[in-house]
Amino acid sequence: DSGVTQTPKHLITATGQRVTLRCSPRSGDLSVYWYQQSLDQGLQFLIHYYNGEERAKGNILERFSAQQFPDLHSELNLSSLELGDSALYFCASSVEQGVADTQYFGPGTRLTVL
Amino acid sequence: AQSVSQHNHHVILSEAASLELGCNYSYGGTVNLFWYVQYPGQHLQLLLKYFSGDPLVKGIKGFEAEFIKSKFSFNLRKPSVQWSDTAEYFCAVNASGGYQKVTFGIGTKLQVIP
Repeated sequence: DSGVTQTPKHLITATGQRVTLRCSPRSGDLSVYWYQQSLDQGLQFLIHYYNGEERAKGNILERFSAQQFPDLHSELNLSSLELGDSALYFCASSVEQGVADTQYFGPGTRLTVL
Repeated sequence: AQSVSQHNHHVILSEAASLELGCNYSYGGTVNLFWYVQYPGQHLQLLLKYFSGDPLVKGIKGFEAEFIKSKFSFNLRKPSVQWSDTAEYFCAVNASGGYQKVTFGIGTKLQVIP
């Protein structure tokens, strides 16, 4: 157990819908990262938040957004869902924001868009 | 932009065989390199990482990796695999300096046969 929790574990929804994925980092970690893992694209970095502020963006679609709250938990919002958004979404956390920090991954949320 | 290539997508070995998983990265500057492992049904966890210094890095569970700058490679090795090493292995790269924006390889599925 990494100490990072993600809810829900599974999510099934329809195209055009909007969903919210939640991540709670390890106690004391200030950084949260979101990744998307699909069969054809592998593990793709989406976005990084540190202490409530956005720090880096990767291959995140405009239909997707994220935020980190004062209690440091984070939410990833996915809207106007398409079939291709079906994937495993991972959250990770680290103590600080530097490149030397180890990221600890959560168990992931499996999103299925029908 | 940085990228990572993992050449073997699926590797099958017998117990006690030696393992070498290839990883090449593409980036012009100084990099930090990682190997993560994902055991069946579990979250991603860090095996080892390289930031600077000795290019031969030792990680958990008897794994090691060697950074060869001239070849842009960071291959993962283990002299004798066990059935419990069955997992998916991901190589990742992050440009030194600045914030974390890790790029992962597509992953290599290792199956160890008893």
